Amino acid sequence: DADVTQTPRNRITKTGKRIMLECSQTKGHDRMYWYRQDPGLGLRLIYYSFDVKDINKGEISDGYSVSRQAQAKFSLSLESAIPNQTALYFCATSAIGGRARNEQFFGPGTRLTVL
Amino acid sequence: AQTVTQSQPEMSVQEAETVTLSCTYDTSESDYYLFWYKQPPSRQMILVIRQEAYKQQNATENRFSVNFQKAAKSFSLKISDSQLGDAAMYFCAYRSASHALTQGGSEKLVFGKGTKLTVNP
Repeated sequence: DADVTQTPRNRITKTGKRIMLECSQTKGHDRMYWYRQDPGLGLRLIYYSFDVKDINKGEISDGYSVSRQAQAKFSLSLESAIPNQTALYFCATSAIGGRARNEQFFGPGTRLTVL
Repeated sequence: AQTVTQSQPEMSVQEAETVTLSCTYDTSESDYYLFWYKQPPSRQMILVIRQEAYKQQNATENRFSVNFQKAAKSFSLKISDSQLGDAAMYFCAYRSASHALTQGGSEKLVFGKGTKLTVNP
């Protein structure tokens, strides 16, 4: 089973709709991240969370909100979707200690299309 | 703020040949980590190789190796004996080694825009 899962994998929605993307992880990591990938722009950080009580904005947080429901769950919401939010969204996790703290582990991505 | 630049939007290589992907970065920090991620058509982001800035020795992982030039702020990826399965987008990424969480985002990854690698049979 995948360590980092995202649901849904693909979603088509309409302008103005509220949509939630969910991320779950079984790696036991404290830190979770949401990135957005656009063609030709690489990945950009939307929000990140270092634990359940710690939420921080990334470089492109406008139009998004997040919720850290538990250590293993981190959801991203678009309150009123707009077409330029059409993108590929990735969730990632990282550990606080140990060798693996240097690495972020990515989910499979969610392809979101806003019409 | 740190920036990562990949100057080659696309590259191609013949199967079994060697190819080098370029990456430069800008930072005022002395301690950091650098990564190469591979994204095949499946969309999954896969870590290929990592380099700690404090290590002078270049990292290697099987057919993948890096040329890390700290003074020049350069971090290129060399793929030897290229295989069809190496075809993918490759992203260079930077991460600060700062432990100061109050600075915010010190553990976030800063990505380049990617290089699309095509492997020709």
